[in-house]
Amino acid sequence: QVKLLQSGAALVKPGASVKMSCKASGYTFTDYWVSWVKQSHGKSLEWIGEIYPNSGATNFNEKFKGKATLTVDKSTSTAYMELSRLTSEDSAIYYCTRDPGYWGQGVMVTVSS
Amino acid sequence: DIQMTQSPASLSASLGETVTIQCRASEDIYSGLAWYQQKPGKSPQLLIYGASSLQDGVPSRFSGSGSGTQYSLKISSMQTEDEGVYFCQQGLKYPYTFGAGTKLELK
Repeated sequence: QVKLLQSGAALVKPGASVKMSCKASGYTFTDYWVSWVKQSHGKSLEWIGEIYPNSGATNFNEKFKGKATLTVDKSTSTAYMELSRLTSEDSAIYYCTRDPGYWGQGVMVTVSS
Repeated sequence: DIQMTQSPASLSASLGETVTIQCRASEDIYSGLAWYQQKPGKSPQLLIYGASSLQDGVPSRFSGSGSGTQYSLKISSMQTEDEGVYFCQQGLKYPYTFGAGTKLELK
């Protein structure tokens, strides 16, 4: 069955970067786009962007350009998202997702000194 | 960006009651709409895609309808396990956008 297993919670200092992972299993990794979604303080959801593992092609929400970098490692069926220049506004839960309706368990990122 | 406006923001319903949640898009999204349910501490779960198609494994008491800019999610008979927050999402144009959510509680 399709599974998306995300890395663990992260506590990071303001101004630093964080890289999180999303390991896919149960399907051909290169056949489906992987999206990333932000959920702040248990509130609503923001689509960050997506990556197509086969080619590395990406599409981004303009709001997250320069903030998020999406990459993949096809050899391990893992997608990555790196967030840079972190501020308190980046404290949130980040999900990786794959259509139709598969979501990872989420990564809680806390930005604090 | 396409704005998704959900209503109501919260509601409470009795067991067996019919519940309807509305979602309005700022422009025509041609049925490119999904509904999700999220429970505390859990990832969102897909209920409906393509405005009216029921995701595998989702109880048949859930249904979606609508077209153009107006969509709705109906729960035909409220159950205890239906408590949670419901989100709509448009998947027609980048960036994909979500509604602010509707919190559903059991009365």
